[in-house]
Amino acid sequence: GAGVSQSPSNKVTEKGKDVELRCDPISGHTALYWYRQSLGQGLEFLIYFQGNSAPDKSGLPSDRFSAERTGGSVSTLTIQRTQQEDSAVYLCASSLESASGRGGEQYFGPGTRLTVT
Amino acid sequence: LAKTTQPISMDSYEGQEVNITCSHNNIATNDYITWYQQFPSQGPRFIIQGYKTKVTNEVASLFIPADRKSSTLSLPRVSLSDTAVYYCLVGRPNSGGGADGLTFGKGTHLIIQP
Repeated sequence: GAGVSQSPSNKVTEKGKDVELRCDPISGHTALYWYRQSLGQGLEFLIYFQGNSAPDKSGLPSDRFSAERTGGSVSTLTIQRTQQEDSAVYLCASSLESASGRGGEQYFGPGTRLTVT
Repeated sequence: LAKTTQPISMDSYEGQEVNITCSHNNIATNDYITWYQQFPSQGPRFIIQGYKTKVTNEVASLFIPADRKSSTLSLPRVSLSDTAVYYCLVGRPNSGGGADGLTFGKGTHLIIQP
């Protein structure tokens, strides 16, 4: 079946511009996650959506970052007034949260490589 | 928030068994332990998950001692294609929100040589 997809795969933007990154999770997955990965670094959690609950925004690095998830499916991560330090690969993942209490196995998309010049 | 500690890098050779240990002293009662694998220019891929004792699948085994303060990912008979970064995660996001268990850290860079 179809996995998590992200678009665009690459994005080059000028400092100060706004960008929108899109994530299409696996159909039926109630949880959606955004991460950021700088070159040679681990994944940095940004934001987490679970069903109809309020999203956990505790990982967003500044108020320039925001995300929404429409209809419990597609999500958009928006970065306003981009800075060079925003350059990274932005990864989206989704999981099927089960009621058994097990941790949700996350399925990752290929990522969007953002370069701010 | 459970914190994990892993070796930064490990080397091994084709055909060997590789064991990567993760320390998580502050693991909570309801926390699961999950391992992911990441190749360059790809998103992480789920390997295995466990709660206690031993879990085995077609790819790896996960050993968790009784106190659950550490876990060991075991990769049998590695090949060159197992060269990747391996991440240990502890915990899970709860249904009411909360990002516990979403700290990937820098992982362990495993290099397999011929």
